[in-house]
Amino acid sequence: ETGVTQTPRHLVMGMTNKKSLKCEQHLGHNAMYWYKQSAKKPLELMFVYNFKEQTENNSVPSRFSPECPNSSHLFLHLHTLQPEDSALYLCASSQRDAEANEQFFGPGTRLTVL
Amino acid sequence: GQNIDQPTEMTATEGAIVQINCTYQTSGFNGLFWYQQHAGEAPTFLSYNVLDGLEEKGRFSSFLSRSKGYSYLLLKELQMKDSASYLCAVRDSNYQLIWGAGTKLIIKP
Repeated sequence: ETGVTQTPRHLVMGMTNKKSLKCEQHLGHNAMYWYKQSAKKPLELMFVYNFKEQTENNSVPSRFSPECPNSSHLFLHLHTLQPEDSALYLCASSQRDAEANEQFFGPGTRLTVL
Repeated sequence: GQNIDQPTEMTATEGAIVQINCTYQTSGFNGLFWYQQHAGEAPTFLSYNVLDGLEEKGRFSSFLSRSKGYSYLLLKELQMKDSASYLCAVRDSNYQLIWGAGTKLIIKP
């Protein structure tokens, strides 16, 4: 595996379900991010982890719960979601001390909440 | 508030040149990024500007004017595979990326 991988690629869940999204980066980076991408809207930053420590939580509802067990893995635990949470969820990683610190994205999980 | 503006959609012809503009108002500035995103795929990094001027990378160039809060992405010798959305993002004083909604570029034969 190379780059940033995400599983599953597609997920359909009911409002009462509990599911988890998984992200893994194979780039040796020290920062990881969760984004929400809705049609025709800017990317919304949800969570940031630097060296496994959460540094940002942009007013995300508690029905989204992140977990970062190490610098290569990131999870997003989902429970009691709403239909408006249907979107593409993107994971990204970066090297914080690099000059550009550009983010590398995974392919995303397309989430549909019924 | 912080804001990134870019056109919603543009159309261009194969082989031609297209310029995608981005204007921004952010709290501080620590670099501007352009990403390409094909439908159903991940955004991929294209360019990074932190100083005023033009950065050229093959068929793609990116320009920045910090005093004007303005950037553009220039695509030359357009190919059908360039049909994608192009995202502009600015890193603010908190080192967070502020994203535009993206410009969907349609290339016609």
